[in-house]
Amino acid sequence: GAGVSQTPSNKVTEKGKYVELRCDPISGHTALYWYRQSLGQGPEFLIYFQGTGAADDSGLPNDRFFAVRPEGSVSTLKIQRTERGDSAVYLCASSLLSPGQGYNEQFFGPGTRLTVL
Amino acid sequence: AQSVAQPEDQVNVAEGNPLTVKCTYSVSGNPYLFWYVQYPNRGLQFLLKYITGDNLVKGSYGFEAEFNKSQTSFHLKKPSALVSDSALYFCAVRDMIPTGRRALTFGSGTRLQVQP
Repeated sequence: GAGVSQTPSNKVTEKGKYVELRCDPISGHTALYWYRQSLGQGPEFLIYFQGTGAADDSGLPNDRFFAVRPEGSVSTLKIQRTERGDSAVYLCASSLLSPGQGYNEQFFGPGTRLTVL
Repeated sequence: AQSVAQPEDQVNVAEGNPLTVKCTYSVSGNPYLFWYVQYPNRGLQFLLKYITGDNLVKGSYGFEAEFNKSQTSFHLKKPSALVSDSALYFCAVRDMIPTGRRALTFGSGTRLQVQP
């Protein structure tokens, strides 16, 4: 596809359940980012992939959150034992990976709105 | 650590008038600076970026931004606002230092309302 796609667009779950959110980046983009956007706030960084490996996972709030990118393309964000405070829009972005500095703009998907009841 | 401040929650402007959306930043080294726009139920769309060079950067939809190193600011501007510019605008920064975080740090956003 032409842009970053995310599925599902909406996810409603119950407290304590497990959820998976999927991101399909722009073809050829080596860098992939996950952000979380709460109502009335800017996106907050969760995790960054360079190829298949998580180069920076310092934004993950706790060990209930985990993400993978096994083949260097599609990524899945996994949340265990969901809590009401996890409710937010989860955004995925991808970019080209320029040598050294990483100043290429990130292209964002439409997001997955997660609601934990 | 890197941070961004957008001091105005909302900016109101009449159509045809110039608009400014303010942004200040803090980084350890030199900054990469970005502006994104978010329309309702849509993802963030890239508007423009400052990497190096001219302090005045031109971007999409007639927007421009001025980098001011001494004031650590990167204000977004447009000479003549359109009603269709009404949206949520985010400023973002990344520190240039090699050990800096590659992900962006975003401000809290400024809602632009353009009245007809």
